[in-house]
Amino acid sequence: SQQGEEDPQALSIQEGENATMNCSYKTSINNLQWYRQNSGRGLVHLILIRSNEREKHSGRLRVTLDTSKKSSSLLITASRAADTASYFCATETQAQKLVFGQGTRLTINP
Amino acid sequence: DAGITQSPRHKVTETGTPVTLRCHQTENHRYMYWYRQDPGHGLRLIHYSYGVKDTDKGEVSDGYSVSRSKTEDFLLTLESATSSQTSVYFCAIRTSFPFNEQFFGPGTRLTVL
Repeated sequence: SQQGEEDPQALSIQEGENATMNCSYKTSINNLQWYRQNSGRGLVHLILIRSNEREKHSGRLRVTLDTSKKSSSLLITASRAADTASYFCATETQAQKLVFGQGTRLTINP
Repeated sequence: DAGITQSPRHKVTETGTPVTLRCHQTENHRYMYWYRQDPGHGLRLIHYSYGVKDTDKGEVSDGYSVSRSKTEDFLLTLESATSSQTSVYFCAIRTSFPFNEQFFGPGTRLTVL
């Protein structure tokens, strides 16, 4: 069973615009992690946010976590063509296991 | 890439044959994981290990077994491969506290004919 659900499933924006992806989950978590996957490639770890954190930044990435709503968002600012990829959220449960959502396919148009 | 390699990277096999995939790490991490990725399902956990000879089942463990006789190696075995096991298989490690991040290997594309 999938704990995380991402929204939207697909997103297409113009280069330079900001992209926002959302993730919802069902049970309590230790942390939430975001990954990027280019077509046919492996997963690249982007950022981890702990359950006691509300916001985290890494370069052009901003992640928020609202444990009361069981939701997280990933914001990519000033998007580039190279940001075209699928983005996954994954929640770590008490048993140190990750549960993935089905991902958001992001397309950046030049 | 957190020092994770997977072998083979691609494999084509026939239904009913045994298949073993290998995950190797160089950084002595305690936790290791096997996932499969299929269209429409994201990544799903097959088995994981929390130490040498310590393993447990994940969400989709039927038809798979694992072994971990050394810290650096985690093997995934399909005893009798079926077409439903055609997938991309990813191995991952979990870094220690306080980081607790999971990093993934490059994947193995398995086709069962």
